[in-house]
Amino acid sequence: GQNIDQPTEMTATEGAIVQINCTYQTSGFNGLFWYQQHAGEAPTFLSYNVLDGLEEKGRFSSFLSRSKGYSYLLLKELQMKDSASYLCAVVDSNYQLIWGAGTKLIIKP
Amino acid sequence: GAVVSQHPSRVICKSGTSVKIECRSLDFQATTMFWYRQFPKQSLMLMATSNEGSKATYEQGVEKDKFLINHASLTLSTLTVTSAHPEDSSFYICSARGKGDTEAFFGQGTRLTVV
Repeated sequence: GQNIDQPTEMTATEGAIVQINCTYQTSGFNGLFWYQQHAGEAPTFLSYNVLDGLEEKGRFSSFLSRSKGYSYLLLKELQMKDSASYLCAVVDSNYQLIWGAGTKLIIKP
Repeated sequence: GAVVSQHPSRVICKSGTSVKIECRSLDFQATTMFWYRQFPKQSLMLMATSNEGSKATYEQGVEKDKFLINHASLTLSTLTVTSAHPEDSSFYICSARGKGDTEAFFGQGTRLTVV
């Protein structure tokens, strides 16, 4: 079967750094997405990785290791507005998105 | 990025009635549209995938006669929840993908409450 694992909830302090991990087992791999979703809203795109390595975009970075079936999203200089759920999604061999359950990130002052 | 417009954003309906949700790609041709349902504190659950001009492919456990999907053009897909019941109350989200694209773009979502 296909499976995406990510922690259910994480807590971090404003101004700090947090890393949200995602491991996957899917039938094929055609890329991995990270989305941010605030409560009651649709997901918004954060990053897309298809090759191994680190992609940096402002305060957010995303890392991928295809051999390990592993990705992480790194958030720096955390702000209160970063409190949200972060969804990991993998594109499988049929170009379908397989979604993780999401990680709820709580930022404390 | 590309823009996908979903309407309405919120709807309250009486039990037994039907509700139609529209999903439009505003600046690209959406050859594939996805419909998701999301219950509180849960992840997105794919309901069905539709390709323009073809019948939708429903995920296991999703009743195709209850959730009618139409994708008649490259810019519009509709989801009709027929004979809605309170347990159908959920957040429904569409996403659209152009031909050859990997990324799908999301609509704003529709909060359906059945009373």
